[in-house]
Amino acid sequence: KAGVTQTPRYLIKTRGQQVTLSCSPISGHRSVSWYQQTPGQGLQFLFEYFSETQRNKGNFPGRFSGRQFSNSRSEMNVSTLELGDSALYLCASSLSPGDEKLFFGSGTQLSVL
Amino acid sequence: SQQGEEDPQALSIQEGENATMNCSYKTSINNLQWYRQNSGRGLVHLILIRSNEREKHSGRLRVTLDTSKKSSSLLITASRAADTASYFCATDAGRNTGNQFYFGTGTSLTVIP
Repeated sequence: KAGVTQTPRYLIKTRGQQVTLSCSPISGHRSVSWYQQTPGQGLQFLFEYFSETQRNKGNFPGRFSGRQFSNSRSEMNVSTLELGDSALYLCASSLSPGDEKLFFGSGTQLSVL
Repeated sequence: SQQGEEDPQALSIQEGENATMNCSYKTSINNLQWYRQNSGRGLVHLILIRSNEREKHSGRLRVTLDTSKKSSSLLITASRAADTASYFCATDAGRNTGNQFYFGTGTSLTVIP
């Protein structure tokens, strides 16, 4: 069974641009969560999607958004990029919310210049 | 911040020795999990312990939980070079929060062959 796939692996953008990251969960997993990892703040929850609906959202500005498609694939978008958005963005899937055990992708390393 | 803290921040041991890392958290929990992250990659789930459990084993891993002290420890016995990674504890965010977890700051473990 294929794992969680995140694309692209690396991304370089400049301030003010926007970016879209993609996540394909493990087959059969319907819950997708996104986390931001930085050296200073560690791992922080962004949001979780289940059945194409956002279930929870972390404490991030409205520039961070996401969506989930009917095949459970998810995308997250960051608009008007700031230098502080440079981070490793991790996607995790599970069978359902509250399933507890998360399966993580390898992440997308975003650098904002 | 709800983020937990891990201690020590970094640990270096010889192959064959045991490694112990500690996690402290701030709020009441339903469960606590430990994850491993190899450099720049996604996290891998290691073990979950519920709030009504005090100790759990999985292979070379032993986890303890003391809810009165809001702390947990992860013991890796007979360490191997392949155990070199960062280790994170994660606590649930409460009822009806799905897969929103609070991650600790992490312990960087280096096992010297």
